[in-house]
Amino acid sequence: GAVVSQHPSWVICKSGTSVKIECRSLDFQATTMFWYRQFPKQSLMLMATSNEGSKATYEQGVEKDKFLINHASLTLSTLTVTSAHPEDSSFYICSASPSMTGKRYEQYFGPGTRLTVT
Amino acid sequence: AQSVTQLGSHVSVSEGALVLLRCNYSSSVPPYLFWYVQYPNQGLQLLLKYTSAATLVKGINGFEAEFKKSETSFHLTKPSAHMSDAAEYFCAVSGGGTSYGKLTFGQGTILTVHP
Repeated sequence: GAVVSQHPSWVICKSGTSVKIECRSLDFQATTMFWYRQFPKQSLMLMATSNEGSKATYEQGVEKDKFLINHASLTLSTLTVTSAHPEDSSFYICSASPSMTGKRYEQYFGPGTRLTVT
Repeated sequence: AQSVTQLGSHVSVSEGALVLLRCNYSSSVPPYLFWYVQYPNQGLQLLLKYTSAATLVKGINGFEAEFKKSETSFHLTKPSAHMSDAAEYFCAVSGGGTSYGKLTFGQGTILTVHP
């Protein structure tokens, strides 16, 4: 149980284009999903918290107009990197917190998406 | 505010030896603490979690961790290392208030297991 998928697992795009990454909770409902970014040999940095049906909350320093987050249902959140640049190349990981009471502090992670911007 | 410090970015042990990965935390509220493992180019897998119940927590793959409030520590141990344990390990804390549900990660510790 508690499986989270991400699609695509890797993507290469040209500078200036946009790319969308999907995060799905496969066997549970998730009111809250989180998006992280991980640079090589570094830890995970929280980018934003996504709540179903409301606007995402971005961490300080994260451009909300560049990293568009939509959490339209209890099982799907998307991250769109707009006008991508090479410095946006990174490993993006999502996580999902179960909606059920007592489990909301838990996070289950997706396998990550490797984005390379050329 | 909450933070996590993992002492030692790299730990190397022999197969069969004790594994000890250190984690100290800071939290203004009683914390929830987690250990995750990450294999190359993969997401994070939960090893174990502390949620204010028993202070000695047993997880998967033979790992366990002990919550020590007086030392603000949550060190991860395994009695006998296996080659398959080689990976990167992250300690994380989740607090309350405005940080409820948010995870703050440590810098990670790469575990190398040699024959």
